[in-house]
Amino acid sequence: GESVGLHLPTLSVQEGDNSIINCAYSNSASDYFIWYKQESGKGPQFIIDIRSNMDKRQGQRVTVLLNKTVKHLSLQIAATQPGDSAVYFCAEKGAAGNKLTFGGGTRVLVKP
Amino acid sequence: GAGVSQSPRYKVAKRGQDVALRCDPISGHVSLFWYQQALGQGPEFLTYFQNEAQLDKSGLPSDRFFAERPEGSVSTLKIQRTQQEDSAVYLCASSPVGNSNQPQHFGDGTRLSIL
Repeated sequence: GESVGLHLPTLSVQEGDNSIINCAYSNSASDYFIWYKQESGKGPQFIIDIRSNMDKRQGQRVTVLLNKTVKHLSLQIAATQPGDSAVYFCAEKGAAGNKLTFGGGTRVLVKP
Repeated sequence: GAGVSQSPRYKVAKRGQDVALRCDPISGHVSLFWYQQALGQGPEFLTYFQNEAQLDKSGLPSDRFFAERPEGSVSTLKIQRTQQEDSAVYLCASSPVGNSNQPQHFGDGTRLSIL
């Protein structure tokens, strides 16, 4: 199949370790942020979201942190598994509209 | 339940031909979005529908691109007189309501190759 993200930054992590993926966003007026996971040949899959009135949100094995002061978003994956290997995108939504603006993506490779 | 469905999964066309890409959103979803994803990059917004109304088409790259959603469910993205730079994956997404902070759910896209 085709590869998503041939020239993306890559994070290599040992199976069982924690992963941290970082994202800088540009629009200080953005009020909603999402992390997506994209596997080769598939569409982006929703992982977790956070609204601008929060600074942390937890899901199953994932945590999103939002720092509005420096316009920074991060995704933490606990106990990374081989199935977590994929390209991860952050996306932001401006307060005035509905479209998502995506970041450049990070490829995560999990080593057994 | 059924997710967003897109067809065809792959489309090859010669430069200058017209193509039509179909999106079946999740049943009952009010909002529908089209994005274009070039190889190695994140998706880029093309256009947005709330029911049958096209509320934002600011991302359409030229007047060769046209989208419709006549009955507020299925949507078609049409590209006329295709050019090589149109080669990309075209993604459709839907969400339950308009004007709210809810995740958009994506289909697996149509990979368009223009020869």
